[in-house]
Amino acid sequence: QQPVQSPQAVILREGEDAVINCSSSKALYSVHWYRQKHGEAPVFLMILLKGGEQKGHEKISASFNEKKQQSSLYLTASQLSYSGTYFCGTDKNSGYALNFGKGTSLLVTP
Amino acid sequence: NAGVMQNPRHLVRRRGQEARLRCSPMKGHSHVYWYRQLPEEGLKFMVYLQKENIIDESGMPKERFSAEFPKEGPSILRIQQVVRGDSAAYFCASSPEEGPYTQYFGPGTRLTVL
Repeated sequence: QQPVQSPQAVILREGEDAVINCSSSKALYSVHWYRQKHGEAPVFLMILLKGGEQKGHEKISASFNEKKQQSSLYLTASQLSYSGTYFCGTDKNSGYALNFGKGTSLLVTP
Repeated sequence: NAGVMQNPRHLVRRRGQEARLRCSPMKGHSHVYWYRQLPEEGLKFMVYLQKENIIDESGMPKERFSAEFPKEGPSILRIQQVVRGDSAAYFCASSPEEGPYTQYFGPGTRLTVL
């Protein structure tokens, strides 16, 4: 079943923070986050495995609550380059296909 | 280390023709996944392959679509007798043999059916 992402869209001014949520009704093995710019391929951001870990990559971090089957992506001090559509992908088992949400469109303005 | 390669990048076909999309995974990767993306929509899983084996094809339409990943050469997604509804971006991703199985995407093939 497709994970649900929220919000659908968000507009930020440069330097502001944002949180994107991803929830599933089924048990998850891992959550994968990607960013896609228009007309381009999805770019991998990070993967979170079950165990409630939190990972970070410069000003972008994420958490995974296995019990709630939810993940959140945190973007702090946003930059213009953060604009794009963010997708979470979930899998039910290690190495299998990802089930993607519909995406969250993020626009960072000067 | 070269990334995932796909060709062609753009493909135009008339209704009823065949489309062949190729994907070469990253070096050292043995898992290949195909996804389809319609305009303004998310990615939909189609098929998951390992060398010479189809592991999961639950997202593949039952007719006209087939995929292979031979021992030598790229993975091929084949669409026979294309229809206008097949117009989409088709992305291939690959992941390594061992976990955590991060999937890296290729640039995609944009198929237009006239």
